[in-house]
Amino acid sequence: DQQVKQNSPSLSVQEGRISILNCDYTNSMFDYFLWYKKYPAEGPTFLISISSIKDKNEDGRFTVFLNKSAKHLSLHIVPSQPGDSAVYFCAASHLPQIRPVLGDTSRRDDKIIFGKGTRLHILP
Amino acid sequence: DVKVTQSSRYLVKRTGEKVFLECVQDMDHENMFWYRQDPGLGLRLIYFSYDVKMKEKGDIPEGYSVSREKKERFSLILESASTNQTSMYLCASKSPEISYNEQFFGPGTRLTVL
Repeated sequence: DQQVKQNSPSLSVQEGRISILNCDYTNSMFDYFLWYKKYPAEGPTFLISISSIKDKNEDGRFTVFLNKSAKHLSLHIVPSQPGDSAVYFCAASHLPQIRPVLGDTSRRDDKIIFGKGTRLHILP
Repeated sequence: DVKVTQSSRYLVKRTGEKVFLECVQDMDHENMFWYRQDPGLGLRLIYFSYDVKMKEKGDIPEGYSVSREKKERFSLILESASTNQTSMYLCASKSPEISYNEQFFGPGTRLTVL
């Protein structure tokens, strides 16, 4: 069962216009949502995150909106630039869990659940 | 700057060979992860480790094992490579102190099994 869904495998947007990438999730207990960007032959790089207690987070040209009632988030890129062409992964996580092992409460394990990605093409 | 390095960018192996993929991080992170990325399937977690000698299975551990003998190094092992293990393999690390769980990724290893 896919907990994080990106239903659009690809998206094409004219340079200078707004790019909107969408993401849906099923688990209302997620604490954080993240967006990663990935170029071919490189590892993903963190772009922006949002806490489940917020509905908007902005960082330069990138804004993430969270609609908890709809279990939906979106990434807005304004204005879109050629360097934005990449695969974007939506991801969700819980707060780090403390795993007590032999009395050591500092240990944690925490996973990120990724969507399948959306390939964004910025057209000249 | 966090740096996660992977031993090879491209690797070609034959079916049945034992394959070692190495990952090293220089930020003293406790948590390390191995993913594979396939078209249309996104990033799938193979194994992760939250401390030296500790490991946990991810979503697709079958056919893989891992080793974490030192904090900075996390190895992925394919005991007997098969063609369906042809993929991009990505290593990541994070500190448990980051509340929003940002993971730092290496550049990836493109493995082809013939």
